[in-house]
Amino acid sequence: DAGVIQSPRHEVTEMGQEVTLRCKPISGHDYLFWYRQTMMRGLELLIYFNNNVPIDDSGMPEDRFSAKMPNASFSTLKIQPSEPRDSAVYFCASSFPGLPGANVLTFGAGSRLTVL
Amino acid sequence: AQKVTQAQTEISVVEKEDVTLDCVYETRDTTYYLFWYKQPPSGELVFLIRRNSFDEQNEISGRYSWNFQKSTSSFNFTITASQVVDSAVYFCALSSGGYQKVTFGTGTKLQVIP
Repeated sequence: DAGVIQSPRHEVTEMGQEVTLRCKPISGHDYLFWYRQTMMRGLELLIYFNNNVPIDDSGMPEDRFSAKMPNASFSTLKIQPSEPRDSAVYFCASSFPGLPGANVLTFGAGSRLTVL
Repeated sequence: AQKVTQAQTEISVVEKEDVTLDCVYETRDTTYYLFWYKQPPSGELVFLIRRNSFDEQNEISGRYSWNFQKSTSSFNFTITASQVVDSAVYFCALSSGGYQKVTFGTGTKLQVIP
């Protein structure tokens, strides 16, 4: 298994530009999570999906952020317009069905975003 | 609401020393799960262990051991005879109430000096 695949690994963009981060979860995993990691705020859950349906997006910072999961093998996190404070490492993680709350997360390698 | 506190921001030890990473959690739910993840310098988070709230048995895996105490709401992680490869950031995490939302602590950066 190739694991959770994220792209791009690194993205440098200018303020105001649109950024799209992509994630391919592990086949058979029906939960998908987007986390953001910064020095100041640590690991924050932005949104998670179950069977392609968004379940909890309370962590999405503001309307500039949006996430979609059009099918079981693909998800995107979009920032439009981007701002310097969005600079962070964005992780995608997936997990397979299990006892409620017991899911072990498998993380991707992360996408490091720098907004100038 | 759920919360995880890792009071130790950074720890440095000399190789072969034992080290304990502290984790204190808060939840009102009686059913919950605790986790430890490791983030090596390469950046990817790796799962280490999961415990449920009904199993307070300590666990040992090689040089790693975990001490779960509900009375003090703690889930501490000990590395015995530390090695340079143990250098990483370690995160304690919690999910409770039957929800898949996992809350992470702020992490403890461990540096093992040769």
